[in-house]
Amino acid sequence: AQSVTQLDSQVPVFEEAPVELRCNYSSSVSVYLFWYVQYPNQGLQLLLKYLSGSTLVKGINGFEAEFNKSQTSFHLRKPSVHISDTAEYFCAVSDYNQGGKLIFGQGTELSVKP
Amino acid sequence: DTAVSQTPKYLVTQMGNDKSIKCEQNLGHDTMYWYKQDSKKFLKIMFSYNNKELIINETVPNRFSPKSPDKAHLNLHINSLELGDSAVYFCASSQGFADTQYFGPGTRLTVL
Repeated sequence: AQSVTQLDSQVPVFEEAPVELRCNYSSSVSVYLFWYVQYPNQGLQLLLKYLSGSTLVKGINGFEAEFNKSQTSFHLRKPSVHISDTAEYFCAVSDYNQGGKLIFGQGTELSVKP
Repeated sequence: DTAVSQTPKYLVTQMGNDKSIKCEQNLGHDTMYWYKQDSKKFLKIMFSYNNKELIINETVPNRFSPKSPDKAHLNLHINSLELGDSAVYFCASSQGFADTQYFGPGTRLTVL
């Protein structure tokens, strides 16, 4: 069965610093990878997704992620964070053969300090 | 013009009661989902429906019964509520299995 591991449960960072949120998934023949963001007391919003093609994926709010098949990783990066990026970030994998079921990682709480 | 809406936003009830959560999407999507987020923020799929047909049922207790009266609605009925059912329940929808899932704002269920 598919699984997703987010290696850091909490990432504190100062405003305007770069950040990387790490995500590894268990290997499969074909997977689709997603990063979602959850602001306090809200639903989830898609940041970006990888379905195929270029391994570097750009998303909203200046985020990007790189799909690395050999390392089964899909790390999320932003070169300069803002206070407003403070939120919970979820990495997820979807196996097309499992009816679109999203399997989520445990989440990483990004805390941006002034 | 909310894409995926859920009602109610908050639900507080006693153990043993029966309650329902409603979900509606106006995106014209074919597939809808229910996810449960526990107190540690872990998200796990419960059900998915495609064109009113059950596709995924993730070993959820049969006290939970989803109902899809039409493509735009997927309601969740819970019988004999237990303390462990306390969580945030999210509805989502997508056009196809590989497409972006759009999430509702969530329903926070508290069982006393």
